[in-house]
Amino acid sequence: EDKVVQSPLSLVVHEGDTVTLNCSYEVTNFRSLLWYKQEKKAPTFLFMLTSSGIEKKSGRLSSILDKKELFSILNITATQTGDSAVYLCAVQWGGGADGLTFGKGTHLIIQP
Amino acid sequence: DGGITQSPKYLFRKEGQNVTLSCEQNLNHDAMYWYRQDPGQGLRLIYYSQIVNDFQKGDIAEGYSVSREKKESFPLTVTSAQKNPTAFYLCASSILPGTDTQYFGPGTRLTVL
Repeated sequence: EDKVVQSPLSLVVHEGDTVTLNCSYEVTNFRSLLWYKQEKKAPTFLFMLTSSGIEKKSGRLSSILDKKELFSILNITATQTGDSAVYLCAVQWGGGADGLTFGKGTHLIIQP
Repeated sequence: DGGITQSPKYLFRKEGQNVTLSCEQNLNHDAMYWYRQDPGQGLRLIYYSQIVNDFQKGDIAEGYSVSREKKESFPLTVTSAQKNPTAFYLCASSILPGTDTQYFGPGTRLTVL
């Protein structure tokens, strides 16, 4: 059965701290890994990763994929209270018809 | 095991036909959601329901319809009016409406032939 496991499930840090969120996966015919930020509405797309070892950056957020060890990390530096959200990892898989499996998410709380 | 189930996993339909996608949850969640995902895009909200017998349109409701007759079930009908129905459809639920943790089902891949 395909699996996507995120850790930690919840995390509380102070503003200015750096956080690292983890996502490991076991899927058949891996195609890509996606990170989303979810607040009180539909998840917002952050990154799509398809190649190992290539870091993607957007402002204070960055992410990298390791296809050999089957995991990805999402880093957030100089955290702000607006970073508080649930961060979802999803893996796209499949041959002709693709699927998308989500992890349970990491609930990140940034305290002032 | 508590969770969300969607069926079928893969669905093919001919142009002009309506088709209904199933979503069931046994998490006792009040709120349920339907999303659509297209290649290279993020999730887009189709419909959501905060409570039984009530539902609201999301960002791309045209060509879709839903019902919420039972708390655990939120079926989505893709009608022939939906101009581009081929996509991956995800159902989600949350404990209360507006809470930030949504739990996702495994999805249904719909292909229109």
